[in-house]
Amino acid sequence: NAGVMQNPRHLVRRRGQEARLRCSPMKGHSHVYWYRQLPEEGLKFMVYLQKENIIDESGMPKERFSAEFPKEGPSILRIQQVVRGDSAAYFCASSRGGQGAYEQYFGPGTRLTVT
Amino acid sequence: AQSVTQPDIHITVSEGASLELRCNYSYGATPYLFWYVQSPGQGLQLLLKYFSGDTLVQGIKGFEAEFKRSQSSFNLRKPSVHWSDAAEYFCAVGNTGNQFYFGTGTSLTVIP
Repeated sequence: NAGVMQNPRHLVRRRGQEARLRCSPMKGHSHVYWYRQLPEEGLKFMVYLQKENIIDESGMPKERFSAEFPKEGPSILRIQQVVRGDSAAYFCASSRGGQGAYEQYFGPGTRLTVT
Repeated sequence: AQSVTQPDIHITVSEGASLELRCNYSYGATPYLFWYVQSPGQGLQLLLKYFSGDTLVQGIKGFEAEFKRSQSSFNLRKPSVHWSDAAEYFCAVGNTGNQFYFGTGTSLTVIP
């Protein structure tokens, strides 16, 4: 029973490049959440998606960041024109939805380094 | 606004000693409360959760936590710490919008 999968685990990008982070939720889970963890800090909510819908993106920076969760395939967090301040660990979590939404299972994270 | 405070940035305990990690939250309604553990370079593993009912909840790896509404606290405890418990511990509160708010974490070091 595979857990939440994220890839790549480590990603290095130069300033100005694009970063694409992928998340495959647990089997049977239709809700995906993205969090960012800066060094020495806790996780900060970014966005909550269901299949083909963005439910809450209140934690997402207004520019350069976007997320999607298509009908088929993984959820994608996309960061355009990366800057050094984007260096962080990005975690994806999934849940069943409904009352089960209160139990989120986390992936191992993608560690993004911007040089 | 919802928020979570973990006042202890770093704690060191001896193996076999008891442990208590503090967590205080701010939330307008009945909170959904969680403790997660993160080993270096890894994702977060759910230790335990509180939704309602019995205020003392049992989790995995011998951990327990007690919800105290009057103190807005949800402290994590373990009676006897093992060296493998060394990790970062995060308290989180969830809201009806499914958004989680995390504390800044407590780093636990276990000495022999």
